[in-house]
Amino acid sequence: SQQGEEDPQALSIQEGENATMNCSYKTSINNLQWYRQNSGRGLVHLILIRSNEREKHSGRLRVTLDTSKKSSSLLITASRAADPASYFCATVTRSSYGKLTFGQGTILTVHP
Amino acid sequence: NAGVMQNPRHLVRRRGQEARLRCSPMKGHSHVYWYRQLPEEGLKFMVYLQKENIIDESGMPKERFSAEFPKEGPSILRIQQVVRGDSAAYFCASSPGTEAATGELFFGEGSRLTVL
Repeated sequence: SQQGEEDPQALSIQEGENATMNCSYKTSINNLQWYRQNSGRGLVHLILIRSNEREKHSGRLRVTLDTSKKSSSLLITASRAADPASYFCATVTRSSYGKLTFGQGTILTVHP
Repeated sequence: NAGVMQNPRHLVRRRGQEARLRCSPMKGHSHVYWYRQLPEEGLKFMVYLQKENIIDESGMPKERFSAEFPKEGPSILRIQQVVRGDSAAYFCASSPGTEAATGELFFGEGSRLTVL
């Protein structure tokens, strides 16, 4: 079964606006990570949030984690022309250290 | 410090041929993971290896697929008698190992297999 599921599947915004992507998962986790993938490229790690953390910031990124709802959100503030990509959440369960289970991803488009 | 290196980046095979994909992890990393990505989908875990050991191959098809990570040299993902459904991007990722790991994986650029 799909562990991580993102919504929306596609998000289209204007440059300068904020982009919010959500991720839900099913089982208990050790941590949740967000990755970015540009078309035709590999994945780049953005941010990791542990199960005992509720919010984390890194530059223009803000991640929240609600373990009671088994959900996370990624907020990209003040979007830029370089932000369009697919964004994936991935979970690590307590029994599978290092093995990531990915969601389907959110495709972000930024209009100038 | 070179990142995870995968080759070839693109590979075309006819049905029934073999595909060999190679992955050199980041320097100092002893754990390697292989993932497969179908078009417009997320990555699906295939196999997790440490040097000379397969730790978890629960995501790898039982037939035609094999993986190794020898003491010397890159990790190899081997697909025998390829079929059209094997067409996908295959990503390798590495991590330093559980003791030093933050949980983050470092990904290569992927090998894109096309089966004609």
